[in-house]
Amino acid sequence: GENVEQHPSTLSVQEGDSAVIKCTYSDSASNYFPWYKQELGKGPQLIIDIRSNVGEKKDQRIAVTLNKTAKHFSLHITETQPEDSAVYFCAAKTNAGKSTFGDGTTLTVKP
Amino acid sequence: DAGVTQSPTHLIKTRGQQVTLRCSPKSGHDTVSWYQQALGQGPQFIFQYYEEEERQRGNFPDRFSGHQFPNYSSELNVNALLLGDSALYLCASSPDGDEQFFGPGTRLTVL
Repeated sequence: GENVEQHPSTLSVQEGDSAVIKCTYSDSASNYFPWYKQELGKGPQLIIDIRSNVGEKKDQRIAVTLNKTAKHFSLHITETQPEDSAVYFCAAKTNAGKSTFGDGTTLTVKP
Repeated sequence: DAGVTQSPTHLIKTRGQQVTLRCSPKSGHDTVSWYQQALGQGPQFIFQYYEEEERQRGNFPDRFSGHQFPNYSSELNVNALLLGDSALYLCASSPDGDEQFFGPGTRLTVL
């Protein structure tokens, strides 16, 4: 089955700096790669996603890149703010419908 | 438009008991997935329902079962509870099978 690895597990940055979180996946049939932000006591919230026919996608301060050959994708957050502090999860999904999540990255943005 | 809602918020059960968790999807969403999230880990896929049928299933024993009703709401049932079933149970609804919107979860504690 699919295996998704996420790094780093914790990330601390200064406000205004950039943050990068990386994920690798194993199943070449995966074609949908979402990123979620989870705050304490809440369910994951979709922040950006990318499909396998696209190499990069950007939404304001957030961008995601996908390298299908290497089977890895990354989340980039620029100009970080304290409210960006949360746990971030990547996931990979095939057409069959099953989503596999990484173990999460705890991002702390220091003011 | 209300988001995904789940009930109850918290639940405490003892080993061997049975539990039913409930989920109402976002309006217009016909696909519902259930996930188990242990502390400090990413969500683990349990199963997905579409048109009242289980479409996909993760690596969970038959003690975990579900149902989807004609109005697309869903239930997750867990029989013969074990201590290891203690977790946050998340429901996610989707309009297209890919983009998922999560509810706040039900925190289950098994004593």
